[in-house]
Amino acid sequence: KQEVTQIPAALSVPEGENLVLNCSFTDSAIYNLQWFRQDPGKGLTSLLLIQSSQREQTSGRLNASLDKSSGRSTLYIAASQPGDSATYLCAVWRTYKYIFGTGTRLKVLA
Amino acid sequence: GAGVSQSPSNKVTEKGKDVELRCDPISGHTALYWYRQSLGQGLEFLIYFQGNSAPDKSGLPSDRFSAERTGGSVSTLTIQRTQQEDSAVYLCASSLLVFNEQFFGPGTRLTVL
Repeated sequence: KQEVTQIPAALSVPEGENLVLNCSFTDSAIYNLQWFRQDPGKGLTSLLLIQSSQREQTSGRLNASLDKSSGRSTLYIAASQPGDSATYLCAVWRTYKYIFGTGTRLKVLA
Repeated sequence: GAGVSQSPSNKVTEKGKDVELRCDPISGHTALYWYRQSLGQGLEFLIYFQGNSAPDKSGLPSDRFSAERTGGSVSTLTIQRTQQEDSAVYLCASSLLVFNEQFFGPGTRLTVL
């Protein structure tokens, strides 16, 4: 059974810091991995999608990597800003379903 | 439309009643997904459609839940004989193809009294 875990569960950092969020999954037979952010009381916004054949994806200050063999993905946020404060979720697509991680609640202090 | 829309945004119902939740995906998106998020819980995948067909329905919590999609566009999630544990935010997403980036709607907050 696929399990997706995110560490840390919560993170509080000062503005400007570079930070790394971690996502680990137990079954490496995935089709893709997607990172999302969720703002309180709102829906999800897709950040980056990494196909199983890819190693990383970049968008602006965000970089996500994927290592299927070790069952890990990291989301790197450069020069964090207060507007980055949100819950970050990773999800893996495994046959017929997306399985979401437990989330990392990020707070960037001004 | 520009994005995924869901209706109603809020639904309060009495235990035992049936409810229908609607999702309008982004035009041209062939894949559509339903999730739910209970208070303080993570996201739970319910079902997805490729076109009008759902390859796997095992994610639906019970046989009181059903979903359909017609014309490759609008989808409805129906919950029969609602129970208090059905209270949650129900999210819908769509993507151009099944393994592509998903775009989420704002969700329907369901409260069962």
